[in-house]
Formats: sequence, C-alpha cells, structure tokens
Amino acid sequence: DAKTTQPPSMDCAEGRAANLPCNHSTISGNEYVYWYRQIHSQGPQYIIHGLKNNETNEMASLIITEDRKSSTLILPHATLRDTAVYYCIVRVGSNFGNEKLTFGTGTRLTIIP
Amino acid sequence: DTAVSQTPKYLVTQMGNDKSIKCEQNLGHDTMYWYKQDSKKFLKIMFSYNNKELIINETVPNRFSPKSPDKAHLNLHINSLELGDSAVYFCASSQVIRTDTQYFGPGTRLTVL
Repeated sequence: DAKTTQPPSMDCAEGRAANLPCNHSTISGNEYVYWYRQIHSQGPQYIIHGLKNNETNEMASLIITEDRKSSTLILPHATLRDTAVYYCIVRVGSNFGNEKLTFGTGTRLTIIP
Repeated sequence: DTAVSQTPKYLVTQMGNDKSIKCEQNLGHDTMYWYKQDSKKFLKIMFSYNNKELIINETVPNRFSPKSPDKAHLNLHINSLELGDSAVYFCASSQVIRTDTQYFGPGTRLTVL
C-alpha cells in the first residue's frame, strides 16, 4: 500500500471548517483513499473514502486532486466532539479480506472553543 | 444495538497467565480482524478471518491464537502473557466487497503486571 504523509497536529476553531491534508504521491491507480478517526480511547471510526471523484457524506467531504497525489478531508462545521486523531490510509479494494488497514501516525486535530 | 462489541473492556493479569478476549459483531459481516495498539498509539493488524478462514496472520507470536466459531465471533486467546503484551486490542469487522469499510469495537485494554 502507498505511504501517506500527514501533519502531526492541527488546531481549528469551533464552528469553522477543518481542512486536513494528506499526501500520497505514490498512490496506484487501483488504490482508494480512506479516512478514519480515533477519538480518545475509542475504536477507530470510518469517515469517508474515495477513488478519484470528490465524495461527501453526512460526516465530511473528501477532495482528491486530479493527479490523486494528495487529498483533503473537510469537516464543514467542526465541533468539540471532532477532536481526535485523523488517519489517511490508501489501499486497494479487497475481495478476500486480505487487505489490511495500515495506520500511520495521523493528524491530531484539536477543536478550540 | 452495538455493532461490534468486545469483552472484557479492561483486563489486568499477571505475567504467565492465559487470557481470552471475545468479539462479536451483529452487522452480518463476513470478515473480522484483530488489531493491537501499543503504548505509542501505533495501530497494527494482527489477524483477519473471512468466513471463519484465517486470511491475514501478521508476525505475531504463537502465543496468540485467534478462534472464529462462526462468522459473528472472533476470539483472541493469549498464552503465557508477557509484559510487552500490554496494549489495547481492537476487534473490527467488514463485509468484503471491493471497498470494504471496517467497523471497530471499543477496545480491550490489557495490562500485564
């Protein structure tokens, strides 16, 4: 799986949009970009994923550059409950359960009141 | 209506003991995983099972033995516990399709004294 690079930490004011960048310059054509987050002491939580197109769900938006070498996770109106470590992961899709999630060090996002 | 549950939540035991952690998912998924998060917060895959068949077996000591009695359960048995086994263990499950999303349990914090 391709390696990802994320800033170690970021702050964001409550109510503002939080934009979390991720570089994945060695991503392959069949690799998806996944975002998970881990709120203190809890299990990781799936946020969103995409292949080429931008994606949006009830939690966030994912913007993937045209060359697919980087992406940005956007939390449109950050709340204090969004304080967590955010992980950007790239991996191929799986048909056999043999594709593991490889977690890096992530970005520690702190929402400031 | 918990999706992925683990028991116990906390486990404190002496070196050399044998212990088990249980995991159950009610999502109807066909693949289950065990991850280990150490004191430095690195989260790493240990095992995955697809339809009760072992698919991923990372470099994990033989003292760790997963058991999947059915698709909804994946238990982790650890023999001869060592100090270095102290960590948080997360169970996860997914439905294996091209882009399977993994759903994580709340974790089991194991402390070996």
